[in-house]
Amino acid sequence: QPVLTQPSSHSASSGASVRLTCMLSSGFSVGDFWIRWYQQKPGNPPRYLLYYHSDSNKGQGSGVPSRFSGSNDASANAGILRISGLQPEDEADYYCGTWHSNSKTWVFGGGTKLTVL
Amino acid sequence: EVQLVESGGGLVQPGGSLRLSCAASGFTFSSYEMNWVRQAPGKGLEWVSYISSSGSTIYYADSVKGRFTISRDNAKNSLYLQMNSLRAEDTAVYYCARVWLDYWGQGTLVTVSS
Repeated sequence: QPVLTQPSSHSASSGASVRLTCMLSSGFSVGDFWIRWYQQKPGNPPRYLLYYHSDSNKGQGSGVPSRFSGSNDASANAGILRISGLQPEDEADYYCGTWHSNSKTWVFGGGTKLTVL
Repeated sequence: EVQLVESGGGLVQPGGSLRLSCAASGFTFSSYEMNWVRQAPGKGLEWVSYISSSGSTIYYADSVKGRFTISRDNAKNSLYLQMNSLRAEDTAVYYCARVWLDYWGQGTLVTVSS
């Protein structure tokens, strides 16, 4: 089954834009997967943000602001979560995940701790 | 409003058993596949198990296969996880989540320790 790799931490200034990456392991192509993104703040369950497969197949979670968006970077074989206009309340852990239909398992990245300076 | 409320967690000795429950409301439970996902203290997310809307199709993570059993009662809008032969490494917050993990409960803490 695929492995999803995320940077353990990332920091950016309030008001800036950030790209959080979720790299797919060798042998798997990001274009074949629906990558989902979750935000988790301390003491809370994960909150579903969005999914991205392609520009024509993507979706936003209920109530999730449009400044959260998804994309793929084919050259890096990675899913991307972009957050624009960073706000202090965006400081959280961000996880990517995907359902691997061949192995019938959900796979998650290790999570990125985002710090808003 | 979609609501998922887990219960049944607690402290159990290694080798013991627990049964977790997840009460669903705010959507047609019988139409949705469901999952259990866990998170060890300070760690990331780990998928545990999946069940189809009818209960006829079930999948497990290798780490729990043969020890955990997922089930559901659509008449009671409830999801369950029977956990047997518990190990220290099963210590985690257990979440129930709807099919594409678009809604999560608040979680219930399971601690396996002597």
